Amino acid sequence: EVQLVESGGDLVQPGRSLRLSCAASGFIFEDYVMYWVRQAPGKGLEWVSSINWNGGRIGYADSVKGRFTISRDNANNSLYLQMNSLRVEDTAFYYCAKDRFGSSDYYGMDVWGQGTTVTVSS
Amino acid sequence: DIQMTQSPSPLSASVGDRVTITCRASQGIRNSLVWYQQKPGKALKLLLHAASRLESGVPSRFSGSGSGTDYTLTISSLQPEDFATYYCQQYYTTPLTFGPGTKVDIK
Repeated sequence: EVQLVESGGDLVQPGRSLRLSCAASGFIFEDYVMYWVRQAPGKGLEWVSSINWNGGRIGYADSVKGRFTISRDNANNSLYLQMNSLRVEDTAFYYCAKDRFGSSDYYGMDVWGQGTTVTVSS
Repeated sequence: DIQMTQSPSPLSASVGDRVTITCRASQGIRNSLVWYQQKPGKALKLLLHAASRLESGVPSRFSGSGSGTDYTLTISSLQPEDFATYYCQQYYTTPLTFGPGTKVDIK
């Protein structure tokens, strides 16, 4: 079964850091672009970041650029999101997702995790 | 950035109704569009890619069409399990952007 399981969400104070992880199973992890998408409480979906198979192509939303870093460990089938200088507006449910097609370009997300909650509050 | 809008929202319908959701991009996206379904407590589900191509396992009552900037998701006969929120998303260029969502609820 193809599965993504996020972890690492927590309640943190503004300005602090947090690292999210996503454990992948049931597919050849290195064959696919991976994504982080977030959803603030009661709001819609926002693309956060994406990474191609070897980390050579990475993209970030302007709202997180310079603060968040995406990475992957293909040997351990894991995706990460290092979140620094967290802001109240980063409070959201964070989802890990897999591209539906390939390892380098974007074609939509066909498998999603259940998400992990990040709350930034003093 | 490409802005995505959706209408209507919300959408009230009954079981058996034909339902159409519209998604509009602020510039042409050359059919680089997907549709997702979101239900509370469930992982998001990809329904269609390339605007009109049904994902494996998705019921045939779901269909998509469109070109250029305007796209639609149609449910030919709404079933109880279809009450959910639907999002479109363009993958033509980064930043990848989603529509605001259309919640389909019971009339």
